[in-house]
Amino acid sequence: EIVLTQSPATLSLSPGERATLSCRASQSVSSYLAWYQQKPGQAPRLLIYDASNRATGIPARFSGRGSGTDFTLTISSLEPEDFAVYYCHQRGNWPSFTFGPGTKVDIK
Amino acid sequence: EVQLVQSGAEVKKPGESLKISCKGSGYRFTSKWIVWVRQMPGKGLEWMGSIYPGDSDTRYSPSFQGQVTISADKSISTAYLQWSNLKASDTAMYYCARCYDPLRGGDNCYWFDPWGQGTLVTVSS
Repeated sequence: EIVLTQSPATLSLSPGERATLSCRASQSVSSYLAWYQQKPGQAPRLLIYDASNRATGIPARFSGRGSGTDFTLTISSLEPEDFAVYYCHQRGNWPSFTFGPGTKVDIK
Repeated sequence: EVQLVQSGAEVKKPGESLKISCKGSGYRFTSKWIVWVRQMPGKGLEWMGSIYPGDSDTRYSPSFQGQVTISADKSISTAYLQWSNLKASDTAMYYCARCYDPLRGGDNCYWFDPWGQGTLVTVSS
């Protein structure tokens, strides 16, 4: 099973700051990695798929990059609604999927 | 608008059975996989399994194989997740989601979007 590790576990930042979240896979997943945002009491929402493609309706301040085992989600300038938990998700070996443990972005 | 609507919260006792549902609309239900994801209280996301409603091809995570049953009724665009012998450790939020492939298209299953609103299952004596 491919294991995803996310760092940091918690990121404390102020609105307007840049957030950089990391996801590392235990083996190569090529570019088959996505990012989801989950706010308290809500279902997750797809942000980025295939490592760097923004999903429909996702603002341009969200960007993803990486391939193989190392991936990054960047939020260029945090808006108040961006404080949430972010999960990475791999689809390396169909039909198996795994999620990372999540990074919580909270207000400093 | 593509939408998945799940059945309401459930409170059950250990040993009871349960079937929760997920109804899709706004797209061709039979041609996209549906996945089920568990989120235990205060924890992360776990993929449980996937079903292709067109032919009921079903795949399970090894962690959930034999513990739950995933099914679908394509005539009413609804997928199901069921338990025959609930345990307290099944207490969690359960989400369904459409699994699709915006880049390559077809019936490939890559990414989960959209998600249902979730069904909270509480198992307590």
